Amino acid sequence: AQSVTQLGSHVSVSEGALVLLRCNYSSSVPPYLFWYVQYPNQGLQLLLKYTSAATLVKGINGFEAEFKKSETSFHLTKPSAHMSDAAEYFCAVSRNYGGSQGNLIFGKGTKLSVKP
Amino acid sequence: EAEVAQSPRYKITEKSQAVAFWCDPISGHATLYWYRQILGQGPELLVQFQDESVVDDSQLPKDRFSAERLKGVDSTLKIQPAELGDSAMYLCASSYSRDTQYFGPGTRLTVL
Repeated sequence: AQSVTQLGSHVSVSEGALVLLRCNYSSSVPPYLFWYVQYPNQGLQLLLKYTSAATLVKGINGFEAEFKKSETSFHLTKPSAHMSDAAEYFCAVSRNYGGSQGNLIFGKGTKLSVKP
Repeated sequence: EAEVAQSPRYKITEKSQAVAFWCDPISGHATLYWYRQILGQGPELLVQFQDESVVDDSQLPKDRFSAERLKGVDSTLKIQPAELGDSAMYLCASSYSRDTQYFGPGTRLTVL
């Protein structure tokens, strides 16, 4: 079975500071990994994805994530936080084969607050 | 840029009533997903379609929930009767290659 654990339900940073959102996954098969962002009362927007190519993945809005198999981690980072980054962030894992291929299993989310 | 459309955006209903949500995926996307997101949690898959066929509905409460995608394009999710615990955001997503899902804006359901 696959699962995702996001460490910290709420992270607060100052504008201009480093953003680090933690995600650890569990999967018995090579996973696909995703980060999505959700603004209040909106759907989810894809930030970036790992699909077994380069381990360092660059996404939109200056975010990037590094796949570390030895640590079963896929942490999301951004060098300098902006006020507009305040939102909820979800890490997700999916199967990359089989009949239910593509089904996403989400973590519980991390709410990012950015202080001026 | 093509988007997944959902309607209505907000729905308030009383318990024991029937409700229905509609989703129109991005054109050409054969795979369609319905998720339920309870406040403060991540989305959870309810049902997955490949064209008009159900691929996975193992988490769909079939005593009250039903989903269809008759022509393999748009889809409807129905709840009958609605219960208080069904209050949540219902998200639709579609994908072309099954490695990236694109989400609609969701329908916020409140059951009174």
